[in-house]
Amino acid sequence: KNQVEQSPQSLIILEGKNCTLQCNYTVSPFSNLRWYKQDTGRGPVSLTIMTFSENTKSNGRYTATLDADTKQSSLHITASQLSDSASYICVVSDRYGGATNKLIFGTGTLLAVQP
Amino acid sequence: SQTIHQWPATLVQPVGSPLSLECTVEGTSNPNLYWYRQAAGRGLQLLFYSVGIGQISSEVPQNLSASRPQDRQFILSSKKLLLSDSGFYLCAWSRTGTVYEQYFGPGTRLTVT
Repeated sequence: KNQVEQSPQSLIILEGKNCTLQCNYTVSPFSNLRWYKQDTGRGPVSLTIMTFSENTKSNGRYTATLDADTKQSSLHITASQLSDSASYICVVSDRYGGATNKLIFGTGTLLAVQP
Repeated sequence: SQTIHQWPATLVQPVGSPLSLECTVEGTSNPNLYWYRQAAGRGLQLLFYSVGIGQISSEVPQNLSASRPQDRQFILSSKKLLLSDSGFYLCAWSRTGTVYEQYFGPGTRLTVT
């Protein structure tokens, strides 16, 4: 069964600190993995997307890594800011493509950055 | 540029009442359209998707239905709401022929009382 699991479920860090969020998946055949940021009460916004051949992708203070062999991804946030407080969702899609294929969503990690 | 709108932003409805949520996309043609529900502490659950006008695929049998009367309009409906229909409803779109790059709307918070 295709699944995406994220850890931790929630995380509290102090402003300015770094943190790393984890995503493990069992989706096969794998096509790509995307990290979304979802502010409370808003729709998710894409941060990064990585295909099978990519093992790292950066977007400002966000750096995502992918190990397709172990089926693990991480999202590292550097020098956290209060505005980083949000839910971070890992989403995996398989290789078939087309609108009939569904994205598999993780349940997200809720990050709270405190001053 | 493309934009996606949803309304209303919040809605409180009694059990047994009807529902109509609307989603529209601007700046693109023939998009794939999606309705998701996000329950508290749960991942996004795909409810319906559409690849064209009048073409609706249902992912989960339930109390809801969807329609696509125009190319860039997607409507989520119910004849009689249940308490379990409460949640955060998100509309999304992607370009024709792909599901990977989905862009989400701002969402509608539905509370059924």
